[in-house]
Amino acid sequence: RKEVEQDPGPFNVPEGATVAFNCTYSNSASQSFFWYRQDCRKEPKLLMSVYSSGNEDGRFTAQLNRASQYISLLIRDSKLSDSATYLCVVNGGGNTDKLIFGTGTRLQVFP
Amino acid sequence: NAGVMQNPRHLVRRRGQEARLRCSPVKGHSHVYWYRQLPEEGLKFMVYLQKENIIDESGMPKERFSAEFPKEGPSILRIQQVVRGDSAAYFCASSRQTGAEAFFGQGTRLTVV
Repeated sequence: RKEVEQDPGPFNVPEGATVAFNCTYSNSASQSFFWYRQDCRKEPKLLMSVYSSGNEDGRFTAQLNRASQYISLLIRDSKLSDSATYLCVVNGGGNTDKLIFGTGTRLQVFP
Repeated sequence: NAGVMQNPRHLVRRRGQEARLRCSPVKGHSHVYWYRQLPEEGLKFMVYLQKENIIDESGMPKERFSAEFPKEGPSILRIQQVVRGDSAAYFCASSRQTGAEAFFGQGTRLTVV
């Protein structure tokens, strides 16, 4: 099983739609969770951290389910500028605690 | 308030040459990660360093690749005797502590000809 798994997509949605991505992780010792966004040929940029209680930042909502070991990202009222690849990131837990990236879910918002 | 600085942005090397990629973390950050990304693929973890220590190098190829993060100066990813398959984007990220969010540099795009 991969350490962090995401549906690669692409998700093609119209402007204004609501879209949700899920991500599962394998290490129950993981403690830190993030969503990053990566535009084509650019560096990944932090979108938001994911807290146990869930958190919201404008149109973006992140949730964590420790029991099932998955995190989710909900985007409401999609904009054309939301088109990008969304990366789920989990710290490895254990001795080294490195950040492990999923391969990403591609979102394309069309007019 | 400088972010993570990587240089060079683009590097062209002939097969058999050495490539040196540099990464200056955010001021005050003592943790550095290196990732490799091939076109249309995800980020692959290579190595995780703290000042003067390699914490996890499980993603580094056993031969030709090495990394360091000295007490003073930038982190260096070194690739000896480059081959065509080393062509990729190499991203560096830094964080202030274990488990904290990491911030990325703009990457170095290595092309081996």
